[in-house]
Amino acid sequence: NAGVTQTPKFQVLKTGQSMTLQCAQDMNHEYMSWYRQDPGMGLRLIHYSVGAGITDQGEVPNGYNVSRSTTEDFPLRLLSAAPSQTSVYFCASSYSGQGNNEQFFGPGTRLTVL
Amino acid sequence: AQSVAQPEDQVNVAEGNPLTVKCTYSVSGNPYLFWYVQYPNRGLQFLLKYITGDNLVKGSYGFEAEFNKSQTSFHLKKPSALVSDSALYFCAVRDQLMDTGRRALTFGSGTRLQVQP
Repeated sequence: NAGVTQTPKFQVLKTGQSMTLQCAQDMNHEYMSWYRQDPGMGLRLIHYSVGAGITDQGEVPNGYNVSRSTTEDFPLRLLSAAPSQTSVYFCASSYSGQGNNEQFFGPGTRLTVL
Repeated sequence: AQSVAQPEDQVNVAEGNPLTVKCTYSVSGNPYLFWYVQYPNRGLQFLLKYITGDNLVKGSYGFEAEFNKSQTSFHLKKPSALVSDSALYFCAVRDQLMDTGRRALTFGSGTRLQVQP
């Protein structure tokens, strides 16, 4: 199993550009989520999904969209990039939405917005 | 609301010495507690979790954590540190009473562990 994969690993955008961060998992996990990691702030939840066709907002959803058309894929779209979105983005998945399940993380995408 | 605190930004320890990385939490009900480790330029890796039962939880790479309900703590420990343990460690909590559908963990800000040879 490849686990959780993310592309690209690095990306530089100009303010106002849009892009999609890709995330895929091959573990047949129901639950998938996107976090951003900023220095000294831990990980903050952006959006999550409890299954195909179902998504919801997390702690910091503004400026981001998601969709979940298949169990495997959970792309994150930046609509109009802003410097405040410079961060490292992690996708994670777990077997179910039950709180006692550990999450599996992808390697991350480092995004810089100029 | 659920929250977690890691009071130390960095912990320094000599190789071979015991290490402790501190974590305290706040929840309304009973907690699910997790420790994750992040090596440079990598995603987070699961180390161990407390769900219920024994207060001492054993995990990967020789790490263990002690759940203390009265002190609302879940400190990560290892009897003998290795240089290769140097990494960023995150504590995370989820309140078992939460039923928002969010099913999200709340992460601490992280503690950098530096093990000197």
